[in-house]
Amino acid sequence: DAKTTQPPSMDCAEGRAANLPCNHSTISGNEYVYWYRQIHSQGPQYIIHGLKNNETNEMASLIITEDRKSSTLILPHATLRDTAVYYCIVRVVNYGQNFVFGPGTRLSVLP
Amino acid sequence: DTGVSQNPRHKITKRGQNVTFRCDPISEHNRLYWYRQTLGQGPEFLTYFQNEAQLEKSRLLSDRFSAERPKGSFSTLEIQRTEQGDSAMYLCASSLGGAQGNYGYTFGSGTRLTVV
Repeated sequence: DAKTTQPPSMDCAEGRAANLPCNHSTISGNEYVYWYRQIHSQGPQYIIHGLKNNETNEMASLIITEDRKSSTLILPHATLRDTAVYYCIVRVVNYGQNFVFGPGTRLSVLP
Repeated sequence: DTGVSQNPRHKITKRGQNVTFRCDPISEHNRLYWYRQTLGQGPEFLTYFQNEAQLEKSRLLSDRFSAERPKGSFSTLEIQRTEQGDSAMYLCASSLGGAQGNYGYTFGSGTRLTVV
């Protein structure tokens, strides 16, 4: 699976949009971009995934650049409960049976 | 269904003792995964089951570690002769297979092991 690069930490004001970047310049054509988050003392939680089109669900939006070498996870109105470590992972769907987690980005939502 | 359940939540043991953790996945999920997470790091893959078959094991899973999923439902992870380096959070996750599994894993809250 391709490697991802994320900033180690970010701050965001409560109520504002949180934009979390991820670089995956070596992504292959059949690799999807996944985002998970981990709130303190809990297991990781699936947020969203996509291949090349932008995706949106009730939690977040995923914007993938046209060349697919980077993506941004957007939390449109961050709350204090969104404070967590966010992991960006690229993986071939249905090939390889595990997700490889890096250190992620620690997002702090500030009041 | 209340999600993936792990027991115990916390375990403190003396070095050299054996410990066993249990994971109850979401009932309709046929895939089950074990991960280990140390402080400040992302989770690291240990092993994976499809139904009762253990299909993949990480190099991290030394001879002292064994995992089972005897009836394709709950799973246990045993660590024999624990060492201080085994202190970590042990996470279990489950998922559906096939295209439905594309929506990621559901993780439990983990078992935190402290070896003293």
